[in-house]
Parts: sequence; C-alpha cells; structure tokens
Amino acid sequence: EIVLTQSPATLSLSPGERATLSCRASQTVGIYLAWYQQKPGQIPRLLIYDTSSRATGTPARFSGSGSGTDFTLTIDSLEPEDFGVYYCQQRSRAFGQGTRVEIK
Amino acid sequence: EAQLVESGGALVQPGGSLRLSCVVSGFPFSINAMNWVRQAPGKGPEWIANIHRTGSPTYYADSVRGRFTVSRDNAKNTVYLQLNDLRPEDTALYSCARDGGGLDPWGQGTMVTVSS
Repeated sequence: EIVLTQSPATLSLSPGERATLSCRASQTVGIYLAWYQQKPGQIPRLLIYDTSSRATGTPARFSGSGSGTDFTLTIDSLEPEDFGVYYCQQRSRAFGQGTRVEIK
Repeated sequence: EAQLVESGGALVQPGGSLRLSCVVSGFPFSINAMNWVRQAPGKGPEWIANIHRTGSPTYYADSVRGRFTVSRDNAKNTVYLQLNDLRPEDTALYSCARDGGGLDPWGQGTMVTVSS
C-alpha cells in the first residue's frame, strides 16, 4: 500500500499570503493525485484531481503540480475561506494525514 | 443535481455485522466506479474500498480487507458495504463517493459505532 506523507503538519499564514503544501508518495502514483479541503463539520471537498486539474467550482488561486512521488498544492493570496485542513489522495486509494492551514 | 444518500449505520457490539447502503441520483450511476471512505471522530479521511462500474474488480484498504465487502446493484443505483467482524477502531462516519478522477461528490455519511 502506498503511503502519502504531507508537510508541514500546520501552516500559519495571513490572508493574502501564498500557501505551499507538499505531498510525498512512498512509490510513484504517476499523475493520479488529488487534493481536498475540509472544514469543521463538513465532508471533504475535491479541489484538484490528476495533479493539476481543477474540479468544478475550484477558484483559480488553487493550483497543483508535480508527478511521480512529489506533489504540491499552491494557494495564491489566501482568502479567509481557505483556512481548513487539506488532504492529498492517490486516486481511489489512501489519503495523506493532512495539512492544517490556520490564520496567523 | 447529484445526490448520494447513505444509510444503515448503527451502534453494534464488537464482532457484529452491518450492511451500509448508498443510493445515488442525479448522474448515470452505472458508468462510474464508486468508493467508500470513513472518518473517525477527530481524524482524517480513510479510503476503504473501491468498486468498478461493472462490479468487478474491487479493492480494499489493508485495515478492512477480509472483513468488509463492497458490492453494487446498477439497476437500483445503489452501492453497498458489508461490514463483518467489527472492531472498536471501525467506529467512524462512513461515506460513499463517486470516482471521477477525484472523489466527487460525496454523501453526508452514516455513523457506525462499535462498542459494548
């Protein structure tokens, strides 16, 4: 089973700053990596799939990159509604442990 | 609008069994693989099972393989998860989700609590 490791565990940033979240796979997953956002009391929401494709409704400030074993989710100019926990997932398989983006 | 509605969650004793259902509407069910994901209180999501649009093949997380079984009935737009030999660590909110590259949409989930 492939293991996904996310870093950092917590990111403390101010609105307007750029967030860079990392996800590393124990074996290659090709381009089949997705990113989700979760807020308290809510189901995870798909943001990005296949490394860099935005899901319907995902703002353009969210972008994904990478391939193989190293992936990045970038949020340009954080908005107040962007704070929450972000998870990466190998397509139809394991999730990472999450990165919490909190207000500094 | 796509809608997924899970049911079947309950309080069950260790070693017990449950059958969860997920009824889908608003999109052509038979052309998509489906997944089950669970989330224990205060923890991140855990993928547990995937089923091909035709019903085979199926895939499972190591934590549930041999105890849980995923199946589907395309005529009823329903995917099922049979949970056997339940353990306290299986306590979680169980959600189904469509597989379309990423998991989207998700249902709101059904709660399974394993406790004596």
